Amino acid sequence: QSVLTQPPSVSGAPGQRVTISCTGSSSNIGAGSDVHWYQQLPGTAPKLLIFGTTVRPSGVPARFSGSKSDTSASLAINGLQAEDEADYYCQSYDGSLRVFGGGTKVTVL
Amino acid sequence: EVQLVQSRPEVKKPGESLKIACQGSGYEFNGYWIAWVRQMPGKDLEWMAIIYPGDSDTKYSPSFQGQVTISVDKSISTAYLQWSSLKASDTAMYYCARELTGFDYWGQGTMVTVS
Repeated sequence: QSVLTQPPSVSGAPGQRVTISCTGSSSNIGAGSDVHWYQQLPGTAPKLLIFGTTVRPSGVPARFSGSKSDTSASLAINGLQAEDEADYYCQSYDGSLRVFGGGTKVTVL
Repeated sequence: EVQLVQSRPEVKKPGESLKIACQGSGYEFNGYWIAWVRQMPGKDLEWMAIIYPGDSDTKYSPSFQGQVTISVDKSISTAYLQWSSLKASDTAMYYCARELTGFDYWGQGTMVTVS
């Protein structure tokens, strides 16, 4: 049972907008902790997609964006593309501990 | 170029000990936390533990406290994850990752098979 809760899967057609939620609690996201997002393509190591809740590292397409409200965070993909089919994980902090969400599989229809 | 290079895949028997490695290069190794993350076959990412090479400060997930030990050898910019007695349920891919704001660089992973 992950500390952060994500939907197991989301799907969308190419060009559509999809969002992935990451629900925490008052001890992690709700305490003001940063949220980071990772993309994991099949058979590869995770890659940092969003850090500090809203910031895209250099090289990450602008169609990826992050937001946060109260005890939840969200990752949005605007203009879904075939290469976005992957697993996505949120990560935050619970005190000094690092915590991951259970992951969401994004399928491009 | 920042790189984290992990040791080769391992196949071990239950009860055996194991130590896997993660060597950093291209940055000041002592100045960044290094985390270990488990991914069991077909499953999600699990944060196990983290260490600060500068002073060997460590933090463990309650789920992994007492089950594994992490350490560093600053002289060779290498972090380690070790088990004293492996179980079949330790079969997984293990990643190391550097922490800045989030885990910004990851190793390629070390597959550990216990059978």
